[in-house]
Amino acid sequence: SQQGEEDPQALSIQEGENATMNCSYKTSINNLQWYRQNSGRGLVHLILIRSNEREKHSGRLRVTLDTSKKSSSLLITASRAADTASYFCAEGSQGNLIFGKGTKLSVKP
Amino acid sequence: KAGVTQTPRYLIKTRGQQVTLSCSPISGHRSVSWYQQTPGQGLQFLFEYFSETQRNKGNFPGRFSGRQFSNSRSEMNVSTLELGDSALYLCASSFSGISGNTIYFGEGSWLTVV
Repeated sequence: SQQGEEDPQALSIQEGENATMNCSYKTSINNLQWYRQNSGRGLVHLILIRSNEREKHSGRLRVTLDTSKKSSSLLITASRAADTASYFCAEGSQGNLIFGKGTKLSVKP
Repeated sequence: KAGVTQTPRYLIKTRGQQVTLSCSPISGHRSVSWYQQTPGQGLQFLFEYFSETQRNKGNFPGRFSGRQFSNSRSEMNVSTLELGDSALYLCASSFSGISGNTIYFGEGSWLTVV
């Protein structure tokens, strides 16, 4: 079953623009992890945000978490063609990490 | 530090055959889990092992099984392959598997069943 739902399902932007992806989840969480997946490849871990954190940064990535709305967002600033990938949020522990369906981001040069 | 290593990367099997996939976790990680990714169902949890014991299991038939060795390396096996088993199988590792641990994934094994 899918815990999170990413929105939008697909996003197409020009290089240099910012990309925002949203993730909603149904039950209470301890933390949320964001991953990137290039076509046909494995998942690359981007950021883990804990339930007591509201915002976290890593390079050009900014993740926010609103537990009252059960939602999180991933912002990629100054996007590059190399950011083209699918992005997933995931909740849970190793014992059962539940993924959303992902947002497919296309960054055009 | 080497990442999660999965072998083989690509394989083609015939219906009815069985397949074994291998995963070497990051050094020091004791929790290993497996996921199946298909276009229709997305990413789905198969099972998790910790210290050679299956700790959690997803909703997959008994044809899917796994094990973990004393060095934390893990294998998963699918018997009596069906066409619907064609998927990307991803292995993930973390230090202890508890919530809050960062979970790292391998590049996956692409299985095609013909």
